[in-house]
Amino acid sequence: TAGITQAPTSQILAAGRSMTLRCTQDMRHNAMYWYRQDLGLGLRLIHYSNTAGTTGKGEVPDGYSVSRANTDDFPLTLASAVPSQTSVYFCASSEIPGGGAIIHEQFFGPGTRLTVL
Amino acid sequence: GQNIDQPTEMTATEGAIVQINCTYQTSGFNGLFWYQQHAGEAPTFLSYNVLDGLEEKGRFSSFLSRSKGYSYLLLKELQMKDSASYLCAARDSNYQLIWGAGTKLIIKP
Repeated sequence: TAGITQAPTSQILAAGRSMTLRCTQDMRHNAMYWYRQDLGLGLRLIHYSNTAGTTGKGEVPDGYSVSRANTDDFPLTLASAVPSQTSVYFCASSEIPGGGAIIHEQFFGPGTRLTVL
Repeated sequence: GQNIDQPTEMTATEGAIVQINCTYQTSGFNGLFWYQQHAGEAPTFLSYNVLDGLEEKGRFSSFLSRSKGYSYLLLKELQMKDSASYLCAARDSNYQLIWGAGTKLIIKP
């Protein structure tokens, strides 16, 4: 089982250009997430989706957009990249968390290292 | 606001025991997670606490006190492969994870 795949592994992008980071999961999880991870900071949620056809904004959504056309795919688009978007981007998925003692931990993809110059 | 605090870096000796502390402040609380992240890799799930007390899983244990907003991860019989960052995350009332910056654990022989 592949779990979660992300593409590309790394990318150098000129400022002002657009780019789509791809994320695919094969665990049939309803919820998917995009995080960025920067040195000295915790993982910060960019956007999330609790089910196909719905998306929501996280802590740092500006400059990013997402779509969720089906259960498996959750692409992240940078419409016009800026140097402050240089980061490592992680996609994650989980069952939709709810009440009770069920854990519903998040599973992470390998990440995309993006450099915006 | 929501906040997670954990030490930036800790050093321990192979074969010893180390305790990594985490304090949290969140809007509502629906569980506390610990993840391990080796350099250049993705975070992987280690443990989960939602009730007060200790959860033991092999060499790793995690403790939670909800009244104090406090958790710790205890690693016993340290091995060189345990050198990694350990991320604490609290799940808030919206079931979103609030993440700490991580504790880099350095194991010395």
